[in-house]
Amino acid sequence: EAEVAQSPRYKITEKSQAVAFWCDPISGHATLYWYRQILGQGPELLVQFQDESVVDDSQLPKDRFSAERLKGVDSTLKIQPAELGDSAMYLCASQGLAGGVGEQFFGPGTRLTVL
Amino acid sequence: SQQGEEDPQALSIQEGENATMNCSYKTSINNLQWYRQNSGRGLVHLILIRSNEREKHSGRLRVTLDTSKKSSSLLITASRAADTASYFCATGDNAGGTSYGKLTFGQGTILTVHP
Repeated sequence: EAEVAQSPRYKITEKSQAVAFWCDPISGHATLYWYRQILGQGPELLVQFQDESVVDDSQLPKDRFSAERLKGVDSTLKIQPAELGDSAMYLCASQGLAGGVGEQFFGPGTRLTVL
Repeated sequence: SQQGEEDPQALSIQEGENATMNCSYKTSINNLQWYRQNSGRGLVHLILIRSNEREKHSGRLRVTLDTSKKSSSLLITASRAADTASYFCATGDNAGGTSYGKLTFGQGTILTVHP
């Protein structure tokens, strides 16, 4: 069964360092999402891609966060510099219907701890 | 930002009992979805109900939607220890456009089923 892949699964870093997360969606899925989930809360959307284009990054803290999906397949989310408040689970999800209504398929997430 | 609230925040029951979780939301929606998250992992899609539907079933799951009250409920019948997880509702809004598939998640209900 096709799955969304994410790496690394866990990342520990010190504040002010740079971190990067990688996501490989299910093959053929045009829509890709990055979410941040703080412990005890629901996921919050950071950025949505349609193919290689950003269609929603209104909740992305652009002074320190960046995301790209250069070839419209896999994607990278970067934080520079990391802050203590960035400690969270970072989830990637993909959806097969371009801009349509349907389930999202989630990867296992990257647990980030900033010391 | 979170779209809605889930109630209760935590639910503890015995195996074989039914579990009911409620979700309220604030804005007009196109669809509402329920997801399950096992501890420290990604989310798994359970069921999707569209705004023009009132009830939907999938195995031991029953979802209702009342758009006039902006609320939904998820019923898990004959619960099992393996149902222990966090359950999230997520709403897809009616805004249209390229972010049409965007979901906004609630805070979640933590369900514990005791053997």
